[in-house]
Amino acid sequence: EAQVTQNPRYLITVTGKKLTVTCSQNMNHEYMSWYRQDPGLGLRQIYYSMNVEVTDKGDVPEGYKVSRKEKRNFPLILESPSPNQTSLYFCASSPRGRNSPLHFGNGTRLTVT
Amino acid sequence: DQQVKQNSPSLSVQEGRISILNCDYTNSMFDYFLWYKKYPAEGPTFLISISSIKDKNEDGRFTVFLNKSAKHLSLHIVPSQPGDSAVYFCAASAYKTSYDKVIFGPGTSLSVIP
Repeated sequence: EAQVTQNPRYLITVTGKKLTVTCSQNMNHEYMSWYRQDPGLGLRQIYYSMNVEVTDKGDVPEGYKVSRKEKRNFPLILESPSPNQTSLYFCASSPRGRNSPLHFGNGTRLTVT
Repeated sequence: DQQVKQNSPSLSVQEGRISILNCDYTNSMFDYFLWYKKYPAEGPTFLISISSIKDKNEDGRFTVFLNKSAKHLSLHIVPSQPGDSAVYFCAASAYKTSYDKVIFGPGTSLSVIP
């Protein structure tokens, strides 16, 4: 089944404890992206990647890191999480970039205390 | 400052009637627009899209209209069904240097009442 898989689905952590949210897609898509969803703000793009080893900042990249060493994986790294990073995170992929519909994972609910 | 706006956080419609969801944008460089639907505990799923060279695109019960001069688009669902109850996100993209970005609106929660 074609899908974008995020792990974990739920995560509670404390301020400053490094964490990684994994994202993997099995559709051989070139484009991958991370979003966070907050009430009243919708989905805001954190980072995106057009292909392996090619990443760029979205609208809210502060406090996040990404890497794209393989085409299928696009992990989101929070080196020192803070409470304002409590949010619902979505990973997405698409075959050719912005004009191709995004395929989203089911989300990761992160709480930082 | 939000570049893509959905000014109605929520909308209730009777089953069988038309649902109209609106979206406004500020960046005249946007040239491709998409609508996504999201159910609770799931990721958004693509619904319909439109390029700026068109003013209408139709797919079954769903039609998107684009008014470039007003920087406005709308999604029409006819007839509305209870299964259409979800949050709808409008999204826009513009070619920027060598890379692409997709900007989402805040979403509109649609409730279709049986």
